[in-house]
Amino acid sequence: GDSVTQTEGLVTLTEGLPVMLNCTYQTIYSNPFLFWYVQHLNESPRLLLKSFTDNKRTEHQGFHATLHKSSSSFHLQKSSAQLSDSALYYCALSDCPSGSWQLIFGSGTQLTVMP
Amino acid sequence: ETAVFQTPNYHVTQVGNEVSFNCKQTLGHDTMYWYKQDSKKLLKIMFSYNNKQLIVNETVPRRFSPQSSDKAHLNLRIKSVEPEDSAVYLCASRVQDNYAEQFFGPGTRLTVL
Repeated sequence: GDSVTQTEGLVTLTEGLPVMLNCTYQTIYSNPFLFWYVQHLNESPRLLLKSFTDNKRTEHQGFHATLHKSSSSFHLQKSSAQLSDSALYYCALSDCPSGSWQLIFGSGTQLTVMP
Repeated sequence: ETAVFQTPNYHVTQVGNEVSFNCKQTLGHDTMYWYKQDSKKLLKIMFSYNNKQLIVNETVPRRFSPQSSDKAHLNLRIKSVEPEDSAVYLCASRVQDNYAEQFFGPGTRLTVL
């Protein structure tokens, strides 16, 4: 079945340094829909950005990601980390058993930004 | 402000008891979901419900069952809870569109003693 892999469970870096969180996926669909959700402490996940267009950069709130179908990747990046970026980040793939379009989430990456 | 509402926020119970959690969305969405977020923060789909069609993740134990009265409500019942059911249960909704954002409720934290 479809799956999403996030290789880093924990990422700790210093404020001002660049952020890159890895995401790869497996799907039977030729046109996958990929998402990044962010969950801050004691909150529920919310959408950060999404894409379905191959090789097109999508940006939101200083973060960006590019869907590369050739490598089945959708890595999340930011040029300069802020303390407020500390959160749990999930990469997700939209799956469609019987039209439900549910999300298949990766295992999440906990990002901690230190001063 | 419209949103996804869940009750209760927390629930503590003993093994073998029955529990029920409520979810209501005022966003006018036609698809609702239940996810389980475990202690390792793994987020797994349990159920999807749209147009009166229920999609069940094959790994969900049979003691779990969703209940819906209309497209704005999707409750979750657990018959005879087990210790491994301790988790945060998140309700979500979206329009029936493969690219649409899912909106999550605040979650219900279940602790099974």
